[in-house]
Amino acid sequence: AQSVSQHNHHVILSEAASLELGCNYSYGGTVNLFWYVQYPGQHLQLLLKYFSGDPLVKGIKGFEAEFIKSKFSFNLRKPSVQWSDTAEYFCAVTYSGAGSYQLTFGKGTKLSVIP
Amino acid sequence: ETGVTQSPTHLIKTRGQQVTLRCSSQSGHNTVSWYQQALGQGPQFIFQYYREEENGRGNFPPRFSGLQFPNYSSELNVNALELDDSALYLCASKRGRGETQYFGPGTRLLVL
Repeated sequence: AQSVSQHNHHVILSEAASLELGCNYSYGGTVNLFWYVQYPGQHLQLLLKYFSGDPLVKGIKGFEAEFIKSKFSFNLRKPSVQWSDTAEYFCAVTYSGAGSYQLTFGKGTKLSVIP
Repeated sequence: ETGVTQSPTHLIKTRGQQVTLRCSSQSGHNTVSWYQQALGQGPQFIFQYYREEENGRGNFPPRFSGLQFPNYSSELNVNALELDDSALYLCASKRGRGETQYFGPGTRLLVL
């Protein structure tokens, strides 16, 4: 079965530090890639997505992610985090072919930003 | 806010009971998916409805069933509740096959 791996369960950073959250997926075919964020007490929100084209995608709130097909990776980055970025971050993928309608999520990475 | 609403927000049931959760999709969205998010886990796909028909299902038993109505709102029904069904149930809607899914706030179900 296809799967998504997020390598860090919990990341703690000080404000202004740079962030990189890892995400790898298992499928070798065509994929659509997403990062969702879940702020405390709020619903899942889309941060950014990659369907095709430029592998470096920019999302909301200064986040960006790079799709590296050869590494099956879609890592999330932000040059300088803020306290308000404290949240849980989920990488997700949809695959081409049968079952392409469903999002497969990673287990999430909890980010805590210390003021 | 995404425009996807869910009710109720919280629910407590006992083992063996049945539960119905409701979802109103965002305006213009004809596809609704349901996900289960257990504590400390990412959401897991339950099933998807497109134009009132189920057109995809994840690895969930038949006691998880659903409906979609002509206005594209949807219900998730779970029969014979088990303790492990305790989770946040998320509804997501989208406009079409390749489009982005937008999530509602979820219903938190506790089974005692």
